[in-house]
Amino acid sequence: DVKVTQSSRYLVKRTGEKVFLECVQDMDHENMFWYRQDPGLGLRLIYFSYDVKMKEKGDIPEGYSVSREKKERFSLILESASTNQTSMYLCASSLGEGRNTEAFFGQGTRLTVV
Amino acid sequence: SQQGEEDPQALSIQEGENATMNCSYKTSINNLQWYRQNSGRGLVHLILIRSNEREKHSGRLRVTLDTSKKSSSLLITASRAADTASYFCATDAGPSISSATNKLIFGTGTLLAVQP
Repeated sequence: DVKVTQSSRYLVKRTGEKVFLECVQDMDHENMFWYRQDPGLGLRLIYFSYDVKMKEKGDIPEGYSVSREKKERFSLILESASTNQTSMYLCASSLGEGRNTEAFFGQGTRLTVV
Repeated sequence: SQQGEEDPQALSIQEGENATMNCSYKTSINNLQWYRQNSGRGLVHLILIRSNEREKHSGRLRVTLDTSKKSSSLLITASRAADTASYFCATDAGPSISSATNKLIFGTGTLLAVQP
């Protein structure tokens, strides 16, 4: 059974903290994605990665960075958490370039920054 | 932003009725996908339609694609209370000069409520 696992379902952090959100997939997928989801705004792409150590900015990368040291793991880092980063964060993975395939999603991490 | 839009934002119907949701997007695409999200959970893939296809069926789902109008529709026939969820379209523009891979861009979603 294919699986994308996010390390936490709920997280509460303080303003200014460095926050790590972890995502692991067991499907040997090349592509991995981080989205944030806010009411009325749908899913917005923060960063994505198409290979180990390779990354590209999405539509809203400001305030975030990512790390992909191993193929199965993609981490989202909030360098200094702020209250406007309170959101649902969704990780996804898919097969690589040129293939018409679906994305598989994790269960989401609801982050609250206080 | 390349983000697409779904229409309507919210839809409430009775069990047994059909539900139609529309999606508009902005760029040329390789394919368009529809996803479902139950409250507070991750998204689940429903159906994918390629840019050279006009219509596709999967069970009670029917998807159409009009690339000239940059729009798609999702029809759920004979709806059930269990179909209550948010539905999102996502476009895959394929690799490009600025992007080495197929990144998925999602719309804003339609919240469907099916009353028993």
